[in-house]
Amino acid sequence: ELKVEQNPLFLSMQEGKNYTIYCNYSTTSDRLYWYRQDPGKSLESLFVLLSNGAVKQEGRLMASLDTKARLSTLHITAAVHDLSATYFCAVDIKNTGNQFYFGTGTSLTVIP
Amino acid sequence: DGGITQSPKYLFRKEGQNVTLSCEQNLNHDAMYWYRQDPGQGLRLIYYSQIVNDFQKGDIAEGYSVSREKKESFPLTVTSAQKNPTAFYLCASRTQPGERQFFGPGTRLTVL
Repeated sequence: ELKVEQNPLFLSMQEGKNYTIYCNYSTTSDRLYWYRQDPGKSLESLFVLLSNGAVKQEGRLMASLDTKARLSTLHITAAVHDLSATYFCAVDIKNTGNQFYFGTGTSLTVIP
Repeated sequence: DGGITQSPKYLFRKEGQNVTLSCEQNLNHDAMYWYRQDPGQGLRLIYYSQIVNDFQKGDIAEGYSVSREKKESFPLTVTSAQKNPTAFYLCASRTQPGERQFFGPGTRLTVL
């Protein structure tokens, strides 16, 4: 059974600080996705990482993928309150149909 | 505008009733998905469909049923056999493996 684990599950950080969210998965995949969810809302796509070493950046968020380590990171630079949300990573596996496997989620709170 | 719509936004069900949640997309996507999210939890896959007239069970299909008679539509029925249906239900679609999933706004179901 494929497992996708994120840590930390909860993160409280001060504005202006940097931090990293980690996403580990248990089987080979070179396709990793990051989503953001605001309270009571749906999921918004942030990044799609499709190869080993892929790095994507948007504003204060940067995502990377290391397929050999089965690890993706979401790095937050100089956090601001607007980044407070829950962040999910997801993996899909070639040759297993179209199924996505979501991580447990990381709830981020940025404190002024 | 292209996108995914879900209706209703809020739904109340009495015990013993079947209810159907609507999901429609005009993105011309082949694959569609239904997820359940409980408070403070991640997403769990109920059913998914890769093509019209075909669908597969996800991790928590018991008590749910789906149909895929048209490419644009993937309704989910929550049956009376689902003992604890109160949750937030999210529909998603994507065109093919390697592409991100796009999510609808969600339906919040409450059992009275």
